[in-house]
Amino acid sequence: EPEVTQTPSHQVTQMGQEVILRCVPISNHLYFYWYRQILGQKVEFLVSFYNNEISEKSEIFDDQFSVERPDGSNFTLKIRSTKLEDSAMYFCASSTTLGTDTQYFGPGTRLTVL
Amino acid sequence: AQSVTQPDIHITVSEGASLELRCNYSYGATPYLFWYVQSPGQGLQLLLKYFSGDTLVQGIKGFEAEFKRSQSSFNLRKPSVHWSDAAEYFCAVGHSGAGSYQLTFGKGTKLSVIP
Repeated sequence: EPEVTQTPSHQVTQMGQEVILRCVPISNHLYFYWYRQILGQKVEFLVSFYNNEISEKSEIFDDQFSVERPDGSNFTLKIRSTKLEDSAMYFCASSTTLGTDTQYFGPGTRLTVL
Repeated sequence: AQSVTQPDIHITVSEGASLELRCNYSYGATPYLFWYVQSPGQGLQLLLKYFSGDTLVQGIKGFEAEFKRSQSSFNLRKPSVHWSDAAEYFCAVGHSGAGSYQLTFGKGTKLSVIP
């Protein structure tokens, strides 16, 4: 069964460094998402992406964040200058269509900012 | 604004016992509701979803959920829990934004199963 994959599973970085989290969505999916979960808190929506542009972003997704689909398979989340409060589990998801279609989630990348 | 409340942070049940995980939502229109499960080291796996129609929804792994509009609830049930059901369970409501669609999650309920 096709699945969303994410790399790395765990990323440790120093505050102020740039990180790139990688995701490979399911191959025939068209809509891509990033969510994050700070330890002990809710899973929160960050951004959705379709047709090579951001469809919607939350207030969390400020100028330090960017997303890109650099080729036909990868979907990346970049944090330009990490802060301590960026430490969280980041989930990538994809779906075939918009609306009521199921979003399929990857296993997550745990980001630790020191 | 939409929100999801899962009042139970941690539940422990004996293997073979029945299970009910509570979920309450707040959403202005007809909700699209989901239950996801996360096992350690795994992603969020969809258990079941409700869009419309029959308010009792069947999912994978023997789970079901009932949508009760009057109570704004979407509780997850299983008649007999297996040790492999130990995981964290998330309820979510789907809603459309500006040209997008996103999920709002509850905080999750961690399920422990004792032999």
